Amino acid sequence: AQTVTQSQPEMSVQEAETVTLSCTYDTSESNYYLFWYKQPPSRQMILVIRQEAYKQQNATENRFSVNFQKAAKSFSLKISDSQLGDTAMYFCAFMNLNAGNMLTFGGGTRLMVKP
Amino acid sequence: DTAVSQTPKYLVTQMGNDKSIKCEQNLGHDTMYWYKQDSKKFLKIMFSYNNKELIINETVPNRFSPKSPDKAHLNLHINSLELGDSAVYFCASKLAGASYEQYFGPGTRLTVT
Repeated sequence: AQTVTQSQPEMSVQEAETVTLSCTYDTSESNYYLFWYKQPPSRQMILVIRQEAYKQQNATENRFSVNFQKAAKSFSLKISDSQLGDTAMYFCAFMNLNAGNMLTFGGGTRLMVKP
Repeated sequence: DTAVSQTPKYLVTQMGNDKSIKCEQNLGHDTMYWYKQDSKKFLKIMFSYNNKELIINETVPNRFSPKSPDKAHLNLHINSLELGDSAVYFCASKLAGASYEQYFGPGTRLTVT
């Protein structure tokens, strides 16, 4: 079984600044995907970014990028030019390709973007 | 158009009652999931269905029974509700194959009093 740990329960950042959310995971699998999901107060789960474990290149999506360190089993999310709309819970998730593609989530980081 | 819908969005009921939450997706996906998010925001997989067949059942009490009448629907029936069942329940769906993301429904907030 795999575990996902987000060590920062809460973080805050000033608008327009950069913030990095941490995530580590533990698994014996070699083939997996990693995700960051955003959950705003509306509680809708929104996919932010995805990383395939077999890819060495870090994924980027506009202002969002990841630092994927496979050997260290680390998967951090960097948000550049933070906006008020980025205020949300952020969940790191591990997808086991050998177990029905189910997601295992970390405990979440509550991010507050301050004006 | 709503991709993954859940009904109801809010459900308040008393201990001991039986209730159902419905999930429908219009994306043509063949895999559907139920997740539970507790009061501390922790999300955990409950069930996974692929083409109406149960493939994951993660140590969920047998008071919880998923039912998939067809590929587009995965309903969750809960018997003898307990206070600890209070949570937000999310349905999700995806296409088979690893390269596809899971699409989540809006969640159903269940409150047991």
